[in-house]
Order: sequence, then C-alpha cells, then structure tokens
Amino acid sequence: QKEVEQDPGPLSVPEGAIVSLNCTYSNSAFQYFMWYRQYSRKGPELLMYTYSSGNKEDGRFTAQVDKSSKYISLFIRDSQPSDSATYLCAMSKSGNQFYFGTGTSLTVIP
Amino acid sequence: GAVVSQHPSWVICKSGTSVKIECRSLDFQATTMFWYRQFPKQSLMLMATSNEGSKATYEQGVEKDKFLINHASLTLSTLTVTSAHPEDSSFYICSASSGGGGVKTGELFFGEGSRLTVL
Repeated sequence: QKEVEQDPGPLSVPEGAIVSLNCTYSNSAFQYFMWYRQYSRKGPELLMYTYSSGNKEDGRFTAQVDKSSKYISLFIRDSQPSDSATYLCAMSKSGNQFYFGTGTSLTVIP
Repeated sequence: GAVVSQHPSWVICKSGTSVKIECRSLDFQATTMFWYRQFPKQSLMLMATSNEGSKATYEQGVEKDKFLINHASLTLSTLTVTSAHPEDSSFYICSASSGGGGVKTGELFFGEGSRLTVL
C-alpha cells in the first residue's frame, strides 16, 4: 500500500465550479500537510500548508485535514481557467522526509 | 512564501559531457535539500536527500557516481550529471526545507526546475 493515495484524474470542470481534490494516507504519524500546484514544465508551487488537523482558508482555496479518517482535501471556489494545472498533495512526519501523491490533473473550461 | 531558485532552467549538452544544476534558497537556510526527477505527465521521483555538510542519501536505483550531489552550504546544493547520455534527458527539480528562519517545520519549497536535453 502506498503511503499517499491520490486520484490522478483527469478532472475537468466548467469555469466558476467548486473543485474538490482529495488524498488519503496510511501513516497516522503524518502531521504536516501541504498542497502544491504545478504547471507544465514548472516546479511545484506551495499553495497551502497545514499542521495537524483542521481547516485553513486562503482566498479561493480551503484545505481540510481529517486525521481521524486519514484524509485531506483541497477546495477551490470559483475556479478559473488559470487554475488548470496538476495538484499534488504532500505530507511529512517530522519535516525531513516527505511523501507525495501522484497528482491530480485539473482542467477548468472557460 | 520562501523562495528557492534553480539554475539553469534549460540546458542542452552533448553526450559524454557533465552538467551542473544549482539550487539556492534565497531567503532561508535550507537544512535539507531534495533532488527529484520528473518525466512528462508523471509524478516526482525522489533521487536523493542532502543535508548541509554531509553526504547525500540516494534512493535505490539512483547511481551516486552518475548524479553527484553537493550541499556545501545552508543555501546552496548542486546536482552534477556526469557523462550525460540521452537517457538522462529529463526535468530535474530541487526542493528545500528548514525548521527555522521564517520557514515552518514541515514546509517544503521547490525550485522552478531544470530541463536537461542530452544530444
């Protein structure tokens, strides 16, 4: 079993839709959770960082962590064509080793 | 957020030559740096982990004599692809983490990536 599971998609939504991206994990020791956005031929860009459980909101983005279910989510409200990218989840136990999902490819159609 | 700069962003070289890629943390001290390789439409593949002042730890299947990693300071790590061959052509990305200096424990920042083409 992989440490982190993420549906690769592809996911296609109309502009303005709410997008929900998810990852599940198996290691209950993970306590740092991140979401990255990666455009083609670019390095991943950190979107959201969460320590332990709870929600975090930044503009149109909301990250949720449910440690009891070992499940994290990223919500994108009012999605825009510029949000079209691959979204990676990542997590860590202590900050010196990181585990990544395979990435979900998102296309927002104008 | 913190900035990690990677250079060059694109390099073309002849088969048999060596290529060096630099990764710098611009506004924080990176105690740990990571190097990845990424093939088109695939996820990141961790190549090695380096801590400042010590030898890099390579992932299984990655040739340490082929991919030389040096982490000489808290702000700079280099990846040298030695005697490059066309099969080494890929997108190489570095990342850096730190537990201080304005960067939260567990935060990981990536460089912009370097595209290597070996002719």
